[in-house]
Amino acid sequence: QVQLVESGGGLVKPGGSLRLSCAASGFTFSDYYMSWIRQAPGKGLEWISYISSSSSHRNYADSVKGRFIISRDNAKNSLYLQMNSLRAEDTAVYYCAKEGMTTLTPTDYWGQGTLVTVSS
Amino acid sequence: DIVMTQSPDSLAVSLGARAAINCKSSQSVLYSSNNKNYLAWYQQKPGQPPKLLIYWASTRESGVPDRFSGSGSGTDFTLTISSLQPDDFATYYCQHHNGNFGQGTNLEIK
Repeated sequence: QVQLVESGGGLVKPGGSLRLSCAASGFTFSDYYMSWIRQAPGKGLEWISYISSSSSHRNYADSVKGRFIISRDNAKNSLYLQMNSLRAEDTAVYYCAKEGMTTLTPTDYWGQGTLVTVSS
Repeated sequence: DIVMTQSPDSLAVSLGARAAINCKSSQSVLYSSNNKNYLAWYQQKPGQPPKLLIYWASTRESGVPDRFSGSGSGTDFTLTISSLQPDDFATYYCQHHNGNFGQGTNLEIK
């Protein structure tokens, strides 16, 4: 079955950096778009980035554009999110999510999430 | 960017009753190339990731009970849950596929 396991979360100071990873299994990773979605404590869901199966197409929410970089390694069945210049408002649970084989398809599987806390 | 707005923010409904949650997009999510609405609905319970219920506005995900149904087109959509069960009390989100989510609707027991 599809499994998505995030790692790399933790406590980081404002202005710092963190790299999240997502290990995928149970499907042909290289065929699917992947996304990162976050949820601040007690708040709603915020889509932040997606990447196409071949990495040729990436898109970012305005709130993270220029600070976050999404990438993937299809040989390792892994998705990454490099987060730079972190702010307090980036504090959230970050979910790795599987999309479809093309753009504009629904998110059908989610990981359990990893918590990122930005605080001095 | 397409902005998604849900109503109401919270809703209290009795067991066995029907609930309707609305979602409005700032521009049409109906794509003329395939005549599909790129709109999904998710259910989230505390401490858990969201679960996909409905996509293409009205297609039920495999394994989702048929008391959940989606309707609407263009900019106005509705998630209807008929005959509410105890397991249905949760927060519900709409989303433009691969894009923004609505702010969520908290469905509570009356």
